[in-house]
Amino acid sequence: DSGVTQTPKHLITATGQRVTLRCSPRSGDLSVYWYQQSLDQGLQFLIQYYNGEERAKGNILERFSAQQFPDLHSELNLSSLELGDSALYFCASSVDGGASYEQFFGPGTRLTVL
Amino acid sequence: GQQVMQIPQYQHVQEGEDFTTYCNSSTTLSNIQWYKQRPGGHPVFLIQLVKSGEVKKQKRLTFQFGEAKKNSSLHITATQTTDVGTYFCAGFSGSARQLTFGSGTQLTVLP
Repeated sequence: DSGVTQTPKHLITATGQRVTLRCSPRSGDLSVYWYQQSLDQGLQFLIQYYNGEERAKGNILERFSAQQFPDLHSELNLSSLELGDSALYFCASSVDGGASYEQFFGPGTRLTVL
Repeated sequence: GQQVMQIPQYQHVQEGEDFTTYCNSSTTLSNIQWYKQRPGGHPVFLIQLVKSGEVKKQKRLTFQFGEAKKNSSLHITATQTTDVGTYFCAGFSGSARQLTFGSGTQLTVLP
């Protein structure tokens, strides 16, 4: 158990819909990262927050947005869903925002868009 | 942008054989991390390399960082069934300001 929690575990929805994925980082970690992992694919970095502020942005679609709240939990919002958005979405956290810190990954949310 | 290539994509070995996965970056890296993801699981941090030419060992696993800090490798000696999973390298460069993951090497160990 990494200490990072993600809800829900599974999500099945239809094209065009909007969903929200939630992540709680490890206690004491200030930075949260979101990744997308499609079938047999690597980890695509989406976005990073550090202590409530956006720190780095990857290949995140305009239909996707995220935020980190004062209690440090984070939410990833996916809208106008397409079939190709079906993937495993991981949240990770680290103590600080620098890349020299190991990232602790949550169990992931499996999103299926029908 | 920064690219991190990893080969091979898949590797099947007999239990007891050695295994190596290679990671190459298009840019010089500040540091490189390695993660392991078991089937159905999430990535778990293994190690970080920072210095040019650095070599670190964890039991049967040996990690190397190239002299030019653009490549890295993970070598497993005498694989066991518990080594099954996908191994990812992840590199950070100052210009990218983010950790870029390689595509991973999926290791299957046949008993």
